[in-house]
Order: sequence, then C-alpha cells, then structure tokens
Amino acid sequence: SSELTQDPAVSVALGQTVTITCQGDSLRTSSASWFQQKPGQAPILVIYDKNKRPSGIPDRFSGSASGNMASLTITGPQAEDEADYYCSSRDSRDTYVMFGGGTKLTVL
Amino acid sequence: QVQLVESGGGVVLPGRSLRLSCAASGFVFSSYGMHWVRQAPGKGLEWVAVISFDGSDKYYADSVKGRFTISRENSKNTLYLQMNSLRDEDTAVYYCAKDRAIFGVITELVNWGQGSLVTVSS
Repeated sequence: SSELTQDPAVSVALGQTVTITCQGDSLRTSSASWFQQKPGQAPILVIYDKNKRPSGIPDRFSGSASGNMASLTITGPQAEDEADYYCSSRDSRDTYVMFGGGTKLTVL
Repeated sequence: QVQLVESGGGVVLPGRSLRLSCAASGFVFSSYGMHWVRQAPGKGLEWVAVISFDGSDKYYADSVKGRFTISRENSKNTLYLQMNSLRDEDTAVYYCAKDRAIFGVITELVNWGQGSLVTVSS
C-alpha cells in the first residue's frame, strides 16, 4: 500500500501530553519522519529516522514506531505547537515518498 | 545556513507549460538529492519528484509522470521542475526540499523552501 493514514484532528490541553499516530504498510520497512506546518509557512522537519530530532527542535517532541504504526508525542505542548502535523515515509525500493493526510493539532 | 528559494510560479492556462527554479545556498548542492513537493490550496502535502545528487536517478509521482521533468544544474546550485500539459489539479504551492543524506537519493526531506504558487486556470 502507498497510503499513510492519520487522524484528521486532535486536541490537547496546554501542558498535557498528546500522541499523533500514522499507520501504513510502508512503515514496516521504512522509518517515519514527521513535519510541522503552521498556516502560511513551509513544513519543518521535527522527527526523522523514527525518533531523531534535528537541531533546534525542542526535546518535548519525540517519535516511536511499532509494526505498521508510527507515533509523534509532544510532552507538555505549548501554544506555539498548534499546527498541522504530517507523517512521511518512503517505499521499500526508495523510489517514492508518501505523506499522511495530516493531523490538525489544537492546543486548548 | 541552508537556503532554498523557489521562483517561476504564476498563472498559466490549462495545457500550457511552466518551469520552476529553486536556488540553493548554504550547503554543497552537488552532494545531496533534491525533491519537489506540492500542496494544493487547503490540502495536504503531495510529493512530486526527486533527483539524485548527480542527476543520474529521477523518480516521479504517478500523478505527474510523463508531464513533469525534474533536473538540476550543479554548477549553478539550481534545481528545476519543468511542468508540461498543466491541468487544473496541478494548482498548488510547489516547494523544493533538500534530502538529508549525502550522496543518497531518498531519506528525509530536511530543509524546505518557502514555496512558489502555481495557478492553472482559464
């Protein structure tokens, strides 16, 4: 399958912990990466290779994976974390990149 | 730091052509694979194409295969996307993005430009 499935929307209270999930067959063979996108801005990589953070990304962002599912966890989200989050992976032959449909995170 | 600046977007009639450019700086352009990703208004991200560091490997999404061509000019630190036979559904912001791995093709899209809007409309 070339599809990645995400919940369309998730909400979390300020300071609580939230997990955004991504499901797809490609995740069994290819690690997930996660992007944050705020309105009118380009996406920013927040997690790659399942659980690595690029420099400058706060450590409240973490990733994990098991089987055909990957997860992005934000521990103690801040108001500025309100954004759309997209998961991504590649096919088993490294010839195609796919994105999930995105999850809109609301921080209450 | 890494900078990617797209240009060449605009309004174009269905069936016509357009070429996007992406000027890169702040890294050794000739060592990294490069991608194009698009986002239709109010929609999610859609990967379009990738080219290897030396241009020897190119891969496309099914939705653009045969109509779009990705290329690069390493001497000018520039990535291109030639778009032919444009359709209404090609309307989107087009982003160029740098791959993470040196001398690879596809790993992760680690740096993104700010995008260039292409509107296909009669």
